[in-house]
Amino acid sequence: NAGVTQTPKFRVLKTGQSMTLLCAQDMNHEYMYWYRQDPGMGLRLIHYSVGEGTTAKGEVPDGYNVSRLKKQNFLLGLESAAPSQTSVYFCASSSDTDTQYFGPGTRLTVL
Amino acid sequence: GENVEQHPSTLSVQEGDSAVIKCTYSDSASNYFPWYKQELGKGPQLIIDIRSNVGEKKDQRIAVTLNKTAKHFSLHITETQPEDSAVYFCAANSGAGSYQLTFGKGTKLSVIP
Repeated sequence: NAGVTQTPKFRVLKTGQSMTLLCAQDMNHEYMYWYRQDPGMGLRLIHYSVGEGTTAKGEVPDGYNVSRLKKQNFLLGLESAAPSQTSVYFCASSSDTDTQYFGPGTRLTVL
Repeated sequence: GENVEQHPSTLSVQEGDSAVIKCTYSDSASNYFPWYKQELGKGPQLIIDIRSNVGEKKDQRIAVTLNKTAKHFSLHITETQPEDSAVYFCAANSGAGSYQLTFGKGTKLSVIP
């Protein structure tokens, strides 16, 4: 039981490049979330999903897209990366409206 | 929407002393308040949570208290140890039954041996 895993762990992009972050969970959770963490800002919700095939915007969705084609996977896409998207990205999942379990994070630098 | 304020932003204590971190929230409909611990280079890990029908909850050296009237909740760590050094985040859900959490900005706790 690996819990929540994230791929890749680190990535460096140039401005304008695109990439996809992958989140996978093996706990059969319905809900999945993408957060970004910036120094002194805590965790801010980017997008979330309440089930396979559904997605919704969180607090800071601009510049990101997501997809939930399979229940166990939640993808976060950056179509045209900007330096302001340099951050640590965390995925989380939950089985109900309460406890969220977090992955180890992806550190992204946009030059 | 929900707003969560967390204080202090940094806290240093001597090993064996107690540490207290406080949070306030704005949405009176919030009913779930988790606390997460984040070690360097890792993801946040849930350490304790409390629901609005309970005033206090304990788990060994960790306790959380909730004052619904004042809309604040606190994390108490007793007999602190060096391994308690980490960043701690409080959070509140966005109304009863909501799956969205709003996080405080974190408290960096340093336990000095």
